[in-house]
Amino acid sequence: DTGVSQDPRHKITKRGQNVTFRCDPISEHNRLYWYRQTLGQGPEFLTYFQNEAQLEKSRLLSDRFSAERPKGSFSTLEIQRTEQGDSAMYLCASSLVSAGSVNTQYFGPGTRLTVL
Amino acid sequence: GNSVTQMEGPVTLSEEAFLTINCTYTATGYPSLFWYVQYPGEGLQLLLKATKADDKGSNKGFEATYRKETTSFHLEKGSVQVSDSAVYFCALKSDGGFKTIFGAGTRLFVKA
Repeated sequence: DTGVSQDPRHKITKRGQNVTFRCDPISEHNRLYWYRQTLGQGPEFLTYFQNEAQLEKSRLLSDRFSAERPKGSFSTLEIQRTEQGDSAMYLCASSLVSAGSVNTQYFGPGTRLTVL
Repeated sequence: GNSVTQMEGPVTLSEEAFLTINCTYTATGYPSLFWYVQYPGEGLQLLLKATKADDKGSNKGFEATYRKETTSFHLEKGSVQVSDSAVYFCALKSDGGFKTIFGAGTRLFVKA
């Protein structure tokens, strides 16, 4: 399978703990995105990378959130001092951006976070 | 700003019924339009897309036509199956933009 993969698929943690999620994009894709989806809503953009550079961060991404893509391949999203309001599905997507391309984003299966 | 509005669900249909899920958008310029589908417990799968006015995207019996005059991208299928039960998201990406903007989703239940 050469799609976007995410690990873990589910994470249950206690309030105040730190969690880290990993995303492996489609191998030739140069852009990687993180979205958050809460129950009954569509995904909301959090941040994205072009290769290893983080180019945009949403206001939804508080200072407790940090994302990295150190070698321009996989990415990690860390949430420090988790709060119950962080409970959501965290989705990763990737795309290949080139001249004339539509930049269609392909999504992974998501990591469902539950903060108790 | 850019936004997507889609019909509220849930939509409940019998097998082999005709499906329409309405989607309208607000955007400047010429966005690309998408329909994604999310099965229970899974991430989003791209269902179809259209990149310019009057384009028709189609896949797995689903189709949608990019109507710039009505700023719409309604999803249709002539005969739904139980396996089509899922949540459907209409989305747009602005021309030259970096993020995809989603509607709230429409849940479809298909009864045998």
